[in-house]
Amino acid sequence: AQSVTQLGSHVSVSEGALVLLRCNYSSSVPPYLFWYVQYPNQGLQLLLKYTSAATLVKGINGFEAEFKKSETSFHLTKPSAHMSDAAEYFCAVSYFGNEKLTFGTGTRLTIIP
Amino acid sequence: DAGVIQSPRHEVTEMGQEVTLRCKPISGHDYLFWYRQTMMRGLELLIYFNNNVPIDDSGMPEDRFSAKMPNASFSTLKIQPSEPRDSAVYFCASSDLGAHNYGYTFGSGTRLTVV
Repeated sequence: AQSVTQLGSHVSVSEGALVLLRCNYSSSVPPYLFWYVQYPNQGLQLLLKYTSAATLVKGINGFEAEFKKSETSFHLTKPSAHMSDAAEYFCAVSYFGNEKLTFGTGTRLTIIP
Repeated sequence: DAGVIQSPRHEVTEMGQEVTLRCKPISGHDYLFWYRQTMMRGLELLIYFNNNVPIDDSGMPEDRFSAKMPNASFSTLKIQPSEPRDSAVYFCASSDLGAHNYGYTFGSGTRLTVV
């Protein structure tokens, strides 16, 4: 069965610093990988997705993620953090033919002024 | 498109009462998903439908929970009788064929509090 592990339930970075949120996947078949963001009292919004095309994926709000098969990772990065990036971030996995997304436990990102 | 619409946004009810949560998916989307989010268990898939037919309800916690999708534009999640441990945020999401390519669109959720 496929799953994702998010390392670090809480991450704090200073405004302007690099954001790095970690996600490792476990899948017996080629995975499809997603990052979602959840702002307080809102639903989840799709940030970006990997679907076996380019391994470096660019998303909204300046975020990007790189699929590394050798490391079974799909880490989320942003070069310079903004205060508006404070939110909870979820990594998720599925595979072709299965419409179910399996979510990680989430990482709460705090931005320090 | 107004997105996935859930109602109510907040629901407070007494233990033992029946609770009905509602969802209107995006027009044209063939798949509808119900998730529950709690601090302890994170995001859990409860059930999902394809073309109004329940495909996988293995995540439904117990017989007190039921879900229906009478047509392509409406779904309900019912809890009867409700218990305090059912307190959570319940999300509905929809997608078209190829969710693995496009992901889901989530509603804003219903925050349920059972006292």
